[in-house]
Amino acid sequence: SQKIEQNSEALNIQEGKTATLTCNYTNYSPAYLQWYRQDPGRGPVFLLLIRENEKEKRKERLKVTFDTTLKQSLFHITASQPADSATYLCALDFHSGNTPLVFGKGTRLSVIA
Amino acid sequence: DGGITQSPKYLFRKEGQNVTLSCEQNLNHDAMYWYRQDPGQGLRLIYYSQIVNDFQKGDIAEGYSVSREKKESFPLTVTSAQKNPTAFYLCATTARTPINEQFFGPGTRLTVL
Repeated sequence: SQKIEQNSEALNIQEGKTATLTCNYTNYSPAYLQWYRQDPGRGPVFLLLIRENEKEKRKERLKVTFDTTLKQSLFHITASQPADSATYLCALDFHSGNTPLVFGKGTRLSVIA
Repeated sequence: DGGITQSPKYLFRKEGQNVTLSCEQNLNHDAMYWYRQDPGQGLRLIYYSQIVNDFQKGDIAEGYSVSREKKESFPLTVTSAQKNPTAFYLCATTARTPINEQFFGPGTRLTVL
């Protein structure tokens, strides 16, 4: 069966440390992988997209990796801050107009001061 | 001010009543989506539309209906056939090119009394 899993429902981390969130999938072959941030009571906001032929993508304190052999993406936030506390969602993107994104359930990150 | 608007923000419905959630966009995007979000469940796709006057069922379409008469509008009706409609509903759009980033509205929280 097809599955997409994010490593844990919740992750607590000390301010200043690097947070690492995991997205694993089985029986899918996405062309891209996307990451979103969602704050309580609000819609998700797009953060980053990484293509299948890219190993790593960076944006400010964010870094995403994509390993199509392991079927895994890692999302890192370096020098984490309390303002980074939110739920982070990964989404499989098949880069096809007819195939919608497939979202993971999300990981709720809490950065403790 | 470009974006996606959803109304109302909060909606209360009595059992047995149909209710329509509004989603309007001025981003000129072709594709629009409706998701339902329950605690711990992530985003589940209800319906999506790639173009005006056309739409497809998502993973949990039973008890819902949609229309797409205008590019800007994609209303969702929650019918009395939906057994457990209390949830947070999110509308999203995408331009699909150059990337398939989704833009989300602020959401409507529906509560059945």
